[in-house]
Amino acid sequence: EPEVTQTPSHQVTQMGQEVILRCVPISNHLYFYWYRQILGQKVEFLVSFYNNEISEKSEIFDDQFSVERPDGSNFTLKIRSTKLEDSAMYFCASSLNGANEKLFFGSGTQLSVL
Amino acid sequence: GENVEQHPSTLSVQEGDSAVIKCTYSDSASNYFPWYKQELGKGPQLIIDIRSNVGEKKDQRIAVTLNKTAKHFSLHITETQPEDSAVYFCAAPLGGSARQLTFGSGTQLTVLP
Repeated sequence: EPEVTQTPSHQVTQMGQEVILRCVPISNHLYFYWYRQILGQKVEFLVSFYNNEISEKSEIFDDQFSVERPDGSNFTLKIRSTKLEDSAMYFCASSLNGANEKLFFGSGTQLSVL
Repeated sequence: GENVEQHPSTLSVQEGDSAVIKCTYSDSASNYFPWYKQELGKGPQLIIDIRSNVGEKKDQRIAVTLNKTAKHFSLHITETQPEDSAVYFCAAPLGGSARQLTFGSGTQLTVLP
């Protein structure tokens, strides 16, 4: 069964450093998403991406965040200058159709900012 | 603001019993209601979803019911098994946009053997 893959599974970084989280969505999917989950809390929407541009973004997704689809397979989330409060599990997701229907999630990248 | 409320936060049932988890949502324009199962160390996995034009949908031991008037929907798991133990999240698109899926706070279901 096709799946969304994320790398790395764990990322430890120093406060103020840049991190790039990588995702390979399911190959025929057209819509891509990043969500995050702080330990013990709900899954929170960050951004959705379609046709090489951001469709929607939440208040969490400020100027420190950016997304990119550098080639036909990868979808990345960059945090330019990490803060302690960025520590969370980051999930990439993709869907064939839009409107947040039938999202397939990856296993996540656990980001720890020290 | 727009929100999805989920109850209970924890639920323990004996193997073979039924489990019911409930969610309410605030945006009457929401028209799609998925349920996700999250096992430890994994991402959420879609287990069932329902659109607003139907009141109930069933898939083997799992069913979802929707009451649009009351703005609530529920997950029903029958004949629970230990492998059903996980965190379950409801979700709904809120805020006037179909593209922001908002999740409930989750229910830790434990099925006791």
